[in-house]
Amino acid sequence: KAGVTQTPRYLIKTRGQQVTLSCSPISGHRSVSWYQQTPGQGLQFLFEYFSETQRNKGNFPGRFSGRQFSNSRSEMNVSTLELGDSALYLCASSLDGSSSYEQYFGPGTRLTVT
Amino acid sequence: EDQVTQSPEALRLQEGESSSLNCSYTVSGLRGLFWYRQDPGKGPEFLFTLYSAGEEKEKERLKATLTKKESFLHITAPKPEDSATYLCAVDNYGQNFVFGPGTRLSVLP
Repeated sequence: KAGVTQTPRYLIKTRGQQVTLSCSPISGHRSVSWYQQTPGQGLQFLFEYFSETQRNKGNFPGRFSGRQFSNSRSEMNVSTLELGDSALYLCASSLDGSSSYEQYFGPGTRLTVT
Repeated sequence: EDQVTQSPEALRLQEGESSSLNCSYTVSGLRGLFWYRQDPGKGPEFLFTLYSAGEEKEKERLKATLTKKESFLHITAPKPEDSATYLCAVDNYGQNFVFGPGTRLSVLP
């Protein structure tokens, strides 16, 4: 069974630009969550999508947004990039957030903002 | 505010030297506590889910236990390939997953 895939794996962007990251969950999984991981703050929850609807949201500014498609694939977008947005962005999928809580993570997208 | 802390921050063990990692949590409600292993440059790998105090789960050299305020990850006779960062996280009834800062484990041959 294929795991969670994320594209691209690495990105370098300039301050002020915007970026879109993609996540394909494990087949059959309907919930996709996004996390930001930095050395200083650790893993921080961004948002969760289930059946194309945002179900939960963490404490991040509105520059961070996401969406989920009917095939459960998800994208997250960061607009007006800042230096502090440099991080590893991880996506995790689970079968159904209410009945099966195990989240399986992808390898992440390493974003560098210069 | 929901909070998860882990100790120690870093741990060095000799191969075969057993030890425990601690995860303490303060949350408004606990639906589940999770342990993950993360290798450098990779996403976290799921290890265990614990749902209620007194519950224990085992996998190879790892054993996770849960009390009302903390969880322990016991590592028995570790090998160098067990070197990684171990993360715990709590699910506070669907609000979100709150992760601890992790414990960096190094097992020396």
